[in-house]
Amino acid sequence: AQKVTQAQTEISVVEKEDVTLDCVYETRDTTYYLFWYKQPPSGELVFLIRRNSFDEQNEISGRYSWNFQKSTSSFNFTITASQVVDSAVYFCALSGQGGSEKLVFGKGTKLTVNP
Amino acid sequence: DVKVTQSSRYLVKRTGEKVFLECVQDMDHENMFWYRQDPGLGLRLIYFSYDVKMKEKGDIPEGYSVSREKKERFSLILESASTNQTSMYLCASSQPGGLKTQYFGPGTRLLVL
Repeated sequence: AQKVTQAQTEISVVEKEDVTLDCVYETRDTTYYLFWYKQPPSGELVFLIRRNSFDEQNEISGRYSWNFQKSTSSFNFTITASQVVDSAVYFCALSGQGGSEKLVFGKGTKLTVNP
Repeated sequence: DVKVTQSSRYLVKRTGEKVFLECVQDMDHENMFWYRQDPGLGLRLIYFSYDVKMKEKGDIPEGYSVSREKKERFSLILESASTNQTSMYLCASSQPGGLKTQYFGPGTRLLVL
């Protein structure tokens, strides 16, 4: 069975601090995809990034970066120099091969960035 | 840009009412999904559809049904609303195959009194 664990339920930081959101996954598939979504207070889940299991290269997009490590089954998300607008719930998700179109979501991490 | 719209942002219904939640996507996606989101429980899949008139149960289908008569529209039906169905309902769509990225609508907050 596939599983995604986001151990941090809530994180609170002060603006300009760096913050890392952890994501650990379990799967027996050899090919799989990992995702991060952001859910601001408005409610809509916004797609941030997708990684496939064959690409362990870290990715940076502006203040966002992602660290994918198959050896530890982790796909962590770091926000550098956090801003108040980064306040949201962040979800990590996993999908596997075998024809399933479903995503397995973690329970989310609520990030609050205080001014 | 992918656009997924949901018919209502907020809805208040009474116990026993039949409730329809509508979702429309404009990207010609094959797959559509309905989730509910509750505090502490994350997102849970209710139903999904991989083609017109095709549906498959998710993790928590009890008390719900779905309809997909057209590719762009996926409806969630609460046959007889109950207070434990008070929740945030999120619709998503995706293309089939390897990429699997799901794009979400803005959500419907349903309150059942």
